[in-house]
Amino acid sequence: TQLLEQSPQFLSIQEGENLTVYCNSSSVFSSLQWYRQEPGEGPVLLVTVVTGGEVKKLKRLTFQFGDARKDSSLHITAAQPGDTGLYLCAGDMVNFGKGTSLLVTP
Amino acid sequence: KAGVTQTPRYLIKTRGQQVTLSCSPISGHRSVSWYQQTPGQGLQFLFEYFSETQRNKGNFPGRFSGRQFSNSRSEMNVSTLELGDSALYLCASSLGGTHLADTQYFGPGTRLTVL
Repeated sequence: TQLLEQSPQFLSIQEGENLTVYCNSSSVFSSLQWYRQEPGEGPVLLVTVVTGGEVKKLKRLTFQFGDARKDSSLHITAAQPGDTGLYLCAGDMVNFGKGTSLLVTP
Repeated sequence: KAGVTQTPRYLIKTRGQQVTLSCSPISGHRSVSWYQQTPGQGLQFLFEYFSETQRNKGNFPGRFSGRQFSNSRSEMNVSTLELGDSALYLCASSLGGTHLADTQYFGPGTRLTVL
């Protein structure tokens, strides 16, 4: 049983567009991590959020942790082809969602 | 600083065989976690070792086992392989602190195919 549900499962957009991906759960987590995984590689940590309502920005990426610490979102502004990859969220480091596969075309 | 290394990178086995995968963590890291990644189930936690002791365990059958050595290197063993064990097996190392402040660094994985 997957504790974390991610949506959408797939997303194909053009360079310059904005997008948001979601990570939802009925469980409360003390921390939530976002990773990006590229083909042939392991996931790479982007951010960890630990406080309900917390917002963190990493260049064009904005991460938000829900007030109840059950859900999170990742917003990318002006997507670039280099953003292409599988975006994974994880609750308390070990409970992963299935991911959102993002393709950004020039 | 060298990253997490996993060997072998690719492996083909037949049903009923057993397999051992190896993971060398980043120098100074004492925690090693193992995950199974498949298209259908995503990334699923197998177990974590810290200072040679299993500290946390996921919901996998006893055919999946692991161990950690005094130099923090870890091995994972799968016995009596089944077709459904075909997956990318990832290991991740970290300092071993609480998940509120710790960071997992993943290796590139071992792609196991069971025929």
